[in-house]
Amino acid sequence: EPEVTQTPSHQVTQMGQEVILRCVPISNHLYFYWYRQILGQKVEFLVSFYNNEISEKSEIFDDQFSVERPDGSNFTLKIRSTKLEDSAMYFCASRRGQGLGYTFGSGTRLTVV
Amino acid sequence: ELKVEQNPLFLSMQEGKNYTIYCNYSTTSDRLYWYRQDPGKSLESLFVLLSNGAVKQEGRLMASLDTKARLSTLHITAAVHDLSATYFCAVDDTETSGSRLTFGEGTQLTVNP
Repeated sequence: EPEVTQTPSHQVTQMGQEVILRCVPISNHLYFYWYRQILGQKVEFLVSFYNNEISEKSEIFDDQFSVERPDGSNFTLKIRSTKLEDSAMYFCASRRGQGLGYTFGSGTRLTVV
Repeated sequence: ELKVEQNPLFLSMQEGKNYTIYCNYSTTSDRLYWYRQDPGKSLESLFVLLSNGAVKQEGRLMASLDTKARLSTLHITAAVHDLSATYFCAVDDTETSGSRLTFGEGTQLTVNP
């Protein structure tokens, strides 16, 4: 069964450093998403991406965050200057079309120290 | 703003018993998803409910959707220890341009022998 692949599985970074989280969505999917989950809390939407541009972003997705699909397969989330409160599990998701199911990746646990 | 509320948030039950988890939401969406999450792991898709009156069953779990009442239920029949996990419902917010999932807070289920 096709999977959404995320790397790395765990990243530890110092406050103020830039991090890039990587995702390879399922190849025939057209819509891409990033969600995050702070430990013990619910899953929160960050951003959606379609047709090479951001469709929607939440209030969490401020100027410190950016997304890219640089080569038609990878989908990245960059955090420019990490804060302690960015520590969370970040999930990438993709879907083939609206009204169809989402497939989530295994997540990247980001720890900011 | 779309709100999704689950109850109960914590559920401890004995093996062999039945119980229901409820998911209420505040919009007119007719697309609702149930996910299972084991500690430190990703979101495993359980059910995709795409219309009013939809009912789906898999093993000891059955999910239903009533779009008029804006309510979905996840019913557990004759619980076993392996069902211990956190269960999230999520609603597709179809009023947004890119569509996105809004999650409930999750129900942490513990099944005791």
